[in-house]
Amino acid sequence: QKEVEQNSGPLSVPEGAIASLNCTYSDRGSQSFFWYRQYSGKSPELIMFIYSNGDKEDGRFTAQLNKASQYVSLLIRDSQPSDSATYLCAVNLYGSGNTGKLIFGQGTTLQVKP
Amino acid sequence: DAMVIQNPRYQVTQFGKPVTLSCSQTLNHNVMYWYQQKSSQAPKLLFHYYDKDFNNEADTPDNFQSRRPNTSFCFLDIRSPGLGDAAMYLCATSRARAGYTFGSGTRLTVV
Repeated sequence: QKEVEQNSGPLSVPEGAIASLNCTYSDRGSQSFFWYRQYSGKSPELIMFIYSNGDKEDGRFTAQLNKASQYVSLLIRDSQPSDSATYLCAVNLYGSGNTGKLIFGQGTTLQVKP
Repeated sequence: DAMVIQNPRYQVTQFGKPVTLSCSQTLNHNVMYWYQQKSSQAPKLLFHYYDKDFNNEADTPDNFQSRRPNTSFCFLDIRSPGLGDAAMYLCATSRARAGYTFGSGTRLTVV
């Protein structure tokens, strides 16, 4: 079982719709969770992070965390063509000495059609 | 602006010829990471430094090594690059338990 799993997509939504991206993780000890956006040929760009169960909102983005179900999601409201990218879910696994290491899912490709 | 800088952006090397990729940071973060990302795949952690302490991932090939001479700089050495090592190499930094900042990456081509 992979440590962080995402549906690779592509997920296609019309402009203005809500895009819902999902991620599951295997390590119950995981403590922090991140969503990154990556455009083709570019490095990952942090969108949001979440540590506590529940929802966290930032502009058009909402991250949702359910530790009991080991599930993280990202909602993008009013999707724009510029949101078309690969969205990477990442989980912080703490190694020895609390160094921490970020483990990524394979990413979900989002296509927003005008 | 504080940032993570990777050089070069594009690197072409010959099969079997040693190559070094560099990363520098002005964030004064104590943790630095090297990731390898192949096309359409997740970034894969190769190793990381917590201050001067080196942490190698179990499945990182011996062909890959790293040096961190000071807080600001970290290097990735590939001793004998093979065609399968062609990828984007990403450097990231973090302060313990805080967010991660990525550099722009170095795309390595092996010919």
